[in-house]
Amino acid sequence: KQEVTQIPAALSVPEGENLVLNCSFTDSAIYNLQWFRQDPGKGLTSLLLIQSSQREQTSGRLNASLDKSSGRSTLYIAASQPGDSATYLCASTGTASKLTFGTGTRLQVTL
Amino acid sequence: NAGVTQTPKFRVLKTGQSMTLLCAQDMNHEYMYWYRQDPGMGLRLIHYSVGEGTTAKGEVPDGYNVSRLKKQNFLLGLESAAPSQTSVYFCASSSAIFYGYTFGSGTRLTVV
Repeated sequence: KQEVTQIPAALSVPEGENLVLNCSFTDSAIYNLQWFRQDPGKGLTSLLLIQSSQREQTSGRLNASLDKSSGRSTLYIAASQPGDSATYLCASTGTASKLTFGTGTRLQVTL
Repeated sequence: NAGVTQTPKFRVLKTGQSMTLLCAQDMNHEYMYWYRQDPGMGLRLIHYSVGEGTTAKGEVPDGYNVSRLKKQNFLLGLESAAPSQTSVYFCASSSAIFYGYTFGSGTRLTVV
């Protein structure tokens, strides 16, 4: 059974800092790895999707990497802003496109 | 706007009552899913469907039933609600295994 772990569970950084969120998974037989953002009381917004054959994906200030052999993915956020404050979730995609989620990293960016 | 629509957004049920949550997508996606989100436990898959007329159990299916009579709709039913089913329920859809998910905005259900 796939298990996805996210470290740290919570993170507080001052505005402008670059930061890295970590995601690890136990079963490397994944189709892809997705990162989502969730604001309090809201749904999930897809940020980045990395296919199993890819090493990284970039969107604006966000960069996600994938290392299947070690079972790890990282989400890099450059020049953080208060608007980046949210919970970030990673999820691996297995058979039938089912997602297995980590429990998330709650990020707070302070002024 | 294209996307996944969940109804209702909020609901309070008494123990033993029944209800149906509706998920509708207008993107012609084959795959649809129901997840529940609980504090400290992340999102867990309840049931899913890989096409019209199909359903399958996920990680936490007990106490729930689903139906997918039309491709665009995926219904989640609670026959006899229990306080343990108090949660936020999310529906999602995907066109194929190599493509990303689109999530609905969620249904906050409280069972008293």
